[in-house]
Amino acid sequence: KNEVEQSPQNLTAQEGEFITINCSYSVGISALHWLQQHPGGGIVSLFMLSSGKKKHGRLIATINIQEKHSSLHITASHPRDSAVYICAVWRGYGGSQGNLIFGKGTKLSVKP
Amino acid sequence: DAGVIQSPRHEVTEMGQEVTLRCKPISGHDYLFWYRQTMMRGLELLIYFNNNVPIDDSGMPEDRFSAKMPNASFSTLKIQPSEPRDSAVYFCASSLEGSPGELFFGEGSRLTVL
Repeated sequence: KNEVEQSPQNLTAQEGEFITINCSYSVGISALHWLQQHPGGGIVSLFMLSSGKKKHGRLIATINIQEKHSSLHITASHPRDSAVYICAVWRGYGGSQGNLIFGKGTKLSVKP
Repeated sequence: DAGVIQSPRHEVTEMGQEVTLRCKPISGHDYLFWYRQTMMRGLELLIYFNNNVPIDDSGMPEDRFSAKMPNASFSTLKIQPSEPRDSAVYFCASSLEGSPGELFFGEGSRLTVL
């Protein structure tokens, strides 16, 4: 079993729909990242979370540390949101040591 | 700031050749990460540095891979000798703070080993 699981793997939505992407992890973490990778290949950091909720424009990310679960929500989705969304968790080993573990990604396609 | 700069963007080489990938992190960032992305395995952390010191290289696949960070503004990832299974996109990222902080990625170096 992967230490970071994302669902769904693929998601197709109509423009304007509310979208939720889920991330579950099985290890203790100090931070969780949501990344966006566009078809051109570039990767952009959307959020870094260690607790609670963050909002940026139409994007909202939440994390529940006790349940080891995070969600990324997109409100009023748009075709330009089409991308792969990747969840990554930082597993610290103490001091500056640790490992960043990635989920396999969720491929989102938003149709006009 | 120009962001994280990687070179080359594309590299095609033959099996057995040495490959050197380069990365310039964002000025002032203390952490530098090298990742590899393949269709089969997704994104994997290869190695990371804190203040130019390698902290964890457990993700480096084998001895053919080596990485250095001689100063705060430059890092290299070297593969010698290269093999077809090394074909992937190699990303460099930097961050300002630990655990790590927000990650800033370069555009990646796409390596094809024939």
